[in-house]
Order: sequence, then structure tokens, then C-alpha cells
Amino acid sequence: GAGVSQSPSNKVTEKGKDVELRCDPISGHTALYWYRQRLGQGLEFLIYFQGNSAPDKSGLPSDRFSAERTGESVSTLTIQRTQQEDSAVYLCASSGVGGDADTQYFGPGTRLTVL
Amino acid sequence: GESVGLHLPTLSVQEGDNSIINCAYSNSASDYFIWYKQESGKGPQFIIDIRSNMDKRQGQRVTVLLNKTVKHLSLQIAATQPGDSAVYFCAETPSQGGSEKLVFGKGTKLTVNP
Repeated sequence: GAGVSQSPSNKVTEKGKDVELRCDPISGHTALYWYRQRLGQGLEFLIYFQGNSAPDKSGLPSDRFSAERTGESVSTLTIQRTQQEDSAVYLCASSGVGGDADTQYFGPGTRLTVL
Repeated sequence: GESVGLHLPTLSVQEGDNSIINCAYSNSASDYFIWYKQESGKGPQFIIDIRSNMDKRQGQRVTVLLNKTVKHLSLQIAATQPGDSAVYFCAETPSQGGSEKLVFGKGTKLTVNP
């Protein structure tokens, strides 16, 4: 596609429920990133996928958070047993190859609200 | 440890003026820096980047300056327009040619008054 897409755009859930957030990266981009942005804050790195390499999970805040990526396409971020502090915008980015390999292009985000 | 921060959380300018947004970083190993613009309800949008082997880079109406001696980064916007109103983030990564996580500052909110 033309850009990174994410779904759903908004998700409201009850505390304790599991949620899945989806990211479709730019076609051909080998790297995919998940970030979290709390209200009025900068972005916090969560996880990074690069090709077939083991993902960098160093930013995941707890074992309730996990992410998968199918090949070099779609990724799903799963949050189990959601807590109110998980409320944030979850942003996905992808980056490609060539001259702008380091430039990360972001999707619009999924706004998660945990009641 | 790594940290990227901004000197001013808010900046208000008149339309047509030039804007300067500043950023300090602490990781001397960082070699790639990016400025992003984020409008309300949207994801960050790439504006301009610079590598550590440069001290200045210009784009359309924007210039990024890098001072490695004092670990300072700035974004200059010429002839600021109301459409430039947004939150601006600097980000850095120690990557050299490989894609890795970005470390973001908290952001500066730019308001352009007509």
C-alpha cells in the first residue's frame, strides 16, 4: 500500500480483556517497529522485527505484551489481561532498504482505552 | 543512559516568522537523527534527517543543524505557516546503516498564530 496502515483506529476494552492490534507495513519494507505513546508524551519503543532475524523485544513492558510478524508483512501486537495503564496510542512504523533504510514511516496509530 | 530531550515544551510564533526548535541528546554514539511532525490524531510524519558526519542539512523550508560537540540538534522552519502547527519530536538512533529503535524526546508543541 501507499503507507503504513493500522487497525482498529480506536479500541475500547474492559480491564482484564485481551486485545489485538494490527499493522500493515509499507510493501517491501523489511523492518517493522511498534511504539507506545501515552497522552502528551513521546514515543516509547516496544519491539522491532527485521526480516527473519529474532525480534528485539527489549521495549516490551511486561510479559502481557507480545507481538508476531508473518514474514515481511502484517504484524499483530497482543496485550493480554489489559490494565488501565495500557491506555495509549500504539504506533507502528516500517522502514525499507536503499538510501532511506533508516527512515521509519509511521501509521496513524490505534488508540487503546482500557476502562 | 540514552536520553533525548527538548529544551522548550511549547513554542508560539507569528505566521511568517522563522521557528527554531531545539533538542539535546546524551548518547555520543548516536549517529542518525530525525525530526518528526505529529498533528493531532495522526502518526508522526518524517520531516528531515541528518547523519553524524554532517552538521547541516536543508530541505524545503526546513533546516536541521547538528552540533556534536555539545550534543545539540535543532530544527529551523522558515516562514512558518499555520499548517506547521503540530508537535515536533526529535529522535535518535545509534544505528549505522541498520534500522533499529528510535529514542524520542517528549516533543515541542508549535503554535502558529495567524
